[in-house]
Amino acid sequence: SQKIEQNSEALNIQEGKTATLTCNYTNYSPAYLQWYRQDPGRGPVFLLLIRENEKEKRKERLKVTFDTTLKQSLFHITASQPADSATYLCALDTPMIKAAGNKLTFGGGTRVLVKP
Amino acid sequence: DVKVTQSSRYLVKRTGEKVFLECVQDMDHENMFWYRQDPGLGLRLIYFSYDVKMKEKGDIPEGYSVSREKKERFSLILESASTNQTSMYLCASRLAGRADTQYFGPGTRLTVL
Repeated sequence: SQKIEQNSEALNIQEGKTATLTCNYTNYSPAYLQWYRQDPGRGPVFLLLIRENEKEKRKERLKVTFDTTLKQSLFHITASQPADSATYLCALDTPMIKAAGNKLTFGGGTRVLVKP
Repeated sequence: DVKVTQSSRYLVKRTGEKVFLECVQDMDHENMFWYRQDPGLGLRLIYFSYDVKMKEKGDIPEGYSVSREKKERFSLILESASTNQTSMYLCASRLAGRADTQYFGPGTRLTVL
């Protein structure tokens, strides 16, 4: 089965700097990879989706890269702000047996703390 | 605005009780999911449903069952709650397409005493 690894250690970063998070997977390359944000005590919220034929995707201060050769995705938060403090999860689509569509397999998440 | 709602934000039950967690989505999504989330273990899939009355076991189905009688509603049942089922439970829904966003509910923090 697909294994997804995210750095379990919290990332402490100064406001205004760029935070870079890593998501590595071990088996087949998914057609899509997604990133979610989760605040304490809340459900994850979708941020970005990147397809296997896309090298990079941007949304405001967020940037995601996808390297199927390295089996890795990088997630960048540029000009970070204290409000960016949260846990960030990557998720890969996994075919569902007997069912329509795919399910998502989630990494363990990386906590980001942006200090003013 | 899309919405996934869960019946309770916090729940306290006793060992051996039967527990129902309900989830409702208003987006006409085919797929619905139940996860539990524990510190250091991430999100683990308990069960999912891809259509009314259709269900599949996820990675950790033991001790749980589910019910989907209507498309918008997916229930998680703990037949006989145990202390090791104390956790945050998250429901999610998604269209059947491969590139679709998954929408999560706010979560239910269940404590079994």
